[in-house]
Amino acid sequence: GQNIDQPTEMTATEGAIVQINCTYQTSGFNGLFWYQQHAGEAPTFLSYNVLDGLEEKGRFSSFLSRSKGYSYLLLKELQMKDSASYLCAVLDSNYQLIWGAGTKLIIKP
Amino acid sequence: NAGVTQTPKFRVLKTGQSMTLLCAQDMNHEYMYWYRQDPGMGLRLIHYSVGEGTTAKGEVPDGYNVSRLKKQNFLLGLESAAPSQTSVYFCASSPTSVSYNEQFFGPGTRLTVL
Repeated sequence: GQNIDQPTEMTATEGAIVQINCTYQTSGFNGLFWYQQHAGEAPTFLSYNVLDGLEEKGRFSSFLSRSKGYSYLLLKELQMKDSASYLCAVLDSNYQLIWGAGTKLIIKP
Repeated sequence: NAGVTQTPKFRVLKTGQSMTLLCAQDMNHEYMYWYRQDPGMGLRLIHYSVGEGTTAKGEVPDGYNVSRLKKQNFLLGLESAAPSQTSVYFCASSPTSVSYNEQFFGPGTRLTVL
């Protein structure tokens, strides 16, 4: 079966750095996405990785290791507005997105 | 541009009632999707469409039907609602499904079936 694992909840302090991990087992791999979802709102795109390595975009970075079936999202200089759920999703061999359950990130002052 | 819009935003149904959820996008996207989101679970694909006049089943299609008569609209129907269909429904669209194409989501419809 296909499976994506993320921690259910994480807590971090404003101004700090947090790393949200995602491991996956899917039938094929055509890329990995990270989305942000604020409570009661729609998911919005953050990043896409298809090759191994780190992609940096402002305060957010995403890393991928295809051989390990592993990705992480790194958030720097945390702000209160970063309190949200972070969804990891893998594009499988049929180009269908398989979604993780999401990691709820709580930012404390 | 409005992006992806969904109507209604909220709905309460009784078991056995029917309803249609409407999704519209103004980005000229080929692909459209219907997902449901339940607590503690990832988004699950119900049905999707790769173009006007086409539809296909996703991961959890039972109890739902869809139609894509116009490129910009994607309708999700519940013929006989059941409490297990209580969920938040998201519509999304993308230019294609291949490689780097983010999906753009609507604001969601919160459905409760009593």
